[in-house]
Amino acid sequence: DAGITQSPRHKVTETGTPVTLRCHQTENHRYMYWYRQDPGHGLRLIHYSYGVKDTDKGEVSDGYSVSRSKTEDFLLTLESATSSQTSVYFCAISERQQETQYFGPGTRLLVL
Amino acid sequence: QQQVKQSPQSLIVQKGGISIINCAYENTAFDYFPWYQQFPGKGPALLIAIRPDVSEKKEGRFTISFNKSAKQFSLHIMDSQPGDSATYFCAASMRQGAQKLVFGQGTRLTINP
Repeated sequence: DAGITQSPRHKVTETGTPVTLRCHQTENHRYMYWYRQDPGHGLRLIHYSYGVKDTDKGEVSDGYSVSRSKTEDFLLTLESATSSQTSVYFCAISERQQETQYFGPGTRLLVL
Repeated sequence: QQQVKQSPQSLIVQKGGISIINCAYENTAFDYFPWYQQFPGKGPALLIAIRPDVSEKKEGRFTISFNKSAKQFSLHIMDSQPGDSATYFCAASMRQGAQKLVFGQGTRLTINP
């Protein structure tokens, strides 16, 4: 998985609790992305980063925040988890614009 | 709003046959069209990609056909093998800014031996 790890790999949490997912890369790629994957929707971009402390919103950013304090780490936070945020979350990295995005192994999140 | 529409949702093909998956897009500013392959429990991986200055790109058994005027592109898998059984996603992005991929809904492909 191109030097990308995601943690945790599985998580069960309760509605209303905060949750933080971590993406760690060893490739020193500039761009990092968070997607969610749901049946019938493919993958949808939540937030992305184009450098340390440089982030922007994607298609489905409501209820999510991100931070990138180091090149190698990109954190996704669900401020108050809801059942609609039950999903599989993927982190991806790329070196340049319109170059290959490499995906991590995913985090399966269940919000009860 | 789904900017990239993919069909069919599922596809069953006999071993040795041709698998065809179609995608249509709305935004004429898209200028990069990758296809990703995903096996169960894994993240998607780039399979093949095309830019709109060519109408076809072939890599081994995999071919992308691109029709700019119709705003459509398709993936053809020749001599389909059981190992090709996976979920396939088309996607699109614009050159400007970060590569914000917009994905199709996915096609679950099953190759019967």
